[in-house]
Amino acid sequence: TQLLEQSPQFLSIQEGENLTVYCNSSSVFSSLQWYRQEPGEGPVLLVTVVTGGEVKKLKRLTFQFGDARKDSSLHITAAQPGDTGLYLCAGAMGTGNQFYFGTGTSLTVIP
Amino acid sequence: NAGVTQTPKFQVLKTGQSMTLQCAQDMNHEYMSWYRQDPGMGLRLIHYSVGAGITDQGEVPNGYNVSRSTTEDFPLRLLSAAPSQTSVYFCASSYSESTGTEAFFGQGTRLTVV
Repeated sequence: TQLLEQSPQFLSIQEGENLTVYCNSSSVFSSLQWYRQEPGEGPVLLVTVVTGGEVKKLKRLTFQFGDARKDSSLHITAAQPGDTGLYLCAGAMGTGNQFYFGTGTSLTVIP
Repeated sequence: NAGVTQTPKFQVLKTGQSMTLQCAQDMNHEYMSWYRQDPGMGLRLIHYSVGAGITDQGEVPNGYNVSRSTTEDFPLRLLSAAPSQTSVYFCASSYSESTGTEAFFGQGTRLTVV
């Protein structure tokens, strides 16, 4: 059983469209991260959210942490082909910095 | 800036063979972890360490051993490889602050067990 469920699993959109990826759990996390992974590489951090209700913006990407710190969303405005990749959410819990990853969303932006 | 270094990048094993996946970090992070990534499953935590001499099990520890004799190194050992262990393995190191945390990943080891 996956601790974090991501949706959708696959997303193919046209350049310029907007999209939202969701990350849901029944568990509470001390912080939540979003990573992006390119083929053949390890995940690279995009953002960390810590406070319930927190919203962070990174250029065209907007990240929101749920009030109860159980869920998060990633919204991309005016997607570009360079946004193509695997997006992973990860919740941190425990004393050992254990990260529990979502199933991932594979995004393809078509020019 | 090396960050997290994993070796080897690729490995093919026969069922029953043993091997060690190496991981080293140069950021002086306390926390280190091993994950495996399988299609449709995201990354799953195998083992983790909160510091030298301390290790603990994650979500999927069976078939794997770890040790942490130094802050820098965190090797993962497969004692008797099985086809179910075919996967991509990632090592990560991380820190923790009041503003949050971040995991830094190696480039991965693609393991095939035949």
